[in-house]
Amino acid sequence: IQLTQSPSSLSASVGDRVTITCRASQGISNYLAWYQQRPGKAPKLLIYAASALQSGVPSRFSGSGSGTDFTLTISSLQPEDFATYYCQQVNNYPLTFGGGTKVEIK
Amino acid sequence: QVQLVESGGGLVKPGGSLRLSCAASGFTFSDYYMTWIRQAPGKGLEWVSHISNSGHTIYYADSVKGRFTVSRDNAKNSLYLQMESLRAEDTAVYFCARRGSYNSNWNFFDYWGQGTLVTVSS
Repeated sequence: IQLTQSPSSLSASVGDRVTITCRASQGISNYLAWYQQRPGKAPKLLIYAASALQSGVPSRFSGSGSGTDFTLTISSLQPEDFATYYCQQVNNYPLTFGGGTKVEIK
Repeated sequence: QVQLVESGGGLVKPGGSLRLSCAASGFTFSDYYMTWIRQAPGKGLEWVSHISNSGHTIYYADSVKGRFTVSRDNAKNSLYLQMESLRAEDTAVYFCARRGSYNSNWNFFDYWGQGTLVTVSS
């Protein structure tokens, strides 16, 4: 299953609302997770089951979608949110990730 | 607290072998599926292999099938990746990660190690 993220990069300011899209090549119900990766660090789980917030993750992060189209939204971008974000389908082998969306400072 | 610490990376020539280890602590290792995920320099994430808590169920990406072998030692709280016939395209940071759910339908990863770099070059 191929996952296509868009955009591949974006520039935004602190306080902005940011939306990242992930499209699956076939329906995956809600079997999707989102991760954040800061430079030089391991990925961090943000969202699972398309919309469930992982424990300890700030509530400004939210996920939605089902089937083939999913979104990750950051309601008010904070300085520590500048990172690369990846979606992952979690139910079919081989497990696959999207290509990533880099969120940069405007 | 949950900790995953990878080791064993380094520089190896094409065709060579390497064994990665992942030492786990802070949780009951034998209860969890574990996985290896890699990231080539400047690239995205690629799932490599997945092993059940008992070690009896194993999956591989096509790109490594027949060359890599995943295993675990629950008595030592350790995960391993034996890599053979290494190629330049295997150059990457290799992360071990814990599956965040007991349900086999939900293969997302809630804890990751810091990664170990494998460089395949002559």
